[in-house]
Amino acid sequence: NAGVTQTPKFQVLKTGQSMTLQCAQDMNHNSMYWYRQDPGMGLRLIYYSASEGTTDKGEVPNGYNVSRLNKREFSLRLESAAPSQTSVYFCASSEAGPYLVSYEQYFGPGTRLTVT
Amino acid sequence: AQKVTQAQTEISVVEKEDVTLDCVYETRDTTYYLFWYKQPPSGELVFLIRRNSFDEQNEISGRYSWNFQKSTSSFNFTITASQVVDSAVYFCALRDTGANSKLTFGKGITLSVRP
Repeated sequence: NAGVTQTPKFQVLKTGQSMTLQCAQDMNHNSMYWYRQDPGMGLRLIYYSASEGTTDKGEVPNGYNVSRLNKREFSLRLESAAPSQTSVYFCASSEAGPYLVSYEQYFGPGTRLTVT
Repeated sequence: AQKVTQAQTEISVVEKEDVTLDCVYETRDTTYYLFWYKQPPSGELVFLIRRNSFDEQNEISGRYSWNFQKSTSSFNFTITASQVVDSAVYFCALRDTGANSKLTFGKGITLSVRP
């Protein structure tokens, strides 16, 4: 039981290059999330997927796209990387409870992305 | 809109001291959930506790304890007899239960425990 896995762990891109960050979970969770973490900013939600087949924008979606490939996998794509996207990216998953129940999110180890 | 404020940015203590990390939240909902996460130097985020708005009982888990007070919209975290391994960034987070509810994080508190 690996939990939430992310690839790659580190990546350096040049401005304008594209790449996809991969995330997979083996906990049979319905909901998955992508966050970015910047110094002094905490974690900010980029996109999330409440269930397979649905995706929604979070707080900072500009410059990103996502794909919920199946229940296990949720990828984040940078079409044209910019230096402002230098950050640590975390994927997370959680159970989707009934309306009034909110479960904790489990996080992957993160991807450290540098855009030069 | 919901908001989480962790006013302390960095705290430094000597091992065996007690330390309290403050968390103040804002939400319009009557039903919501509060969380604490730990991020050690290795970088992963570790879930510590989840508390719903209807449960104001304080919780103790070993050296960790949490004080939830709705009257002051606070969910503070105390580490008793701190250890070097407690050195980490600690995040408080809030999630309401509205449609499309999301987890809102505070900016984190960096705790350094010196031997």
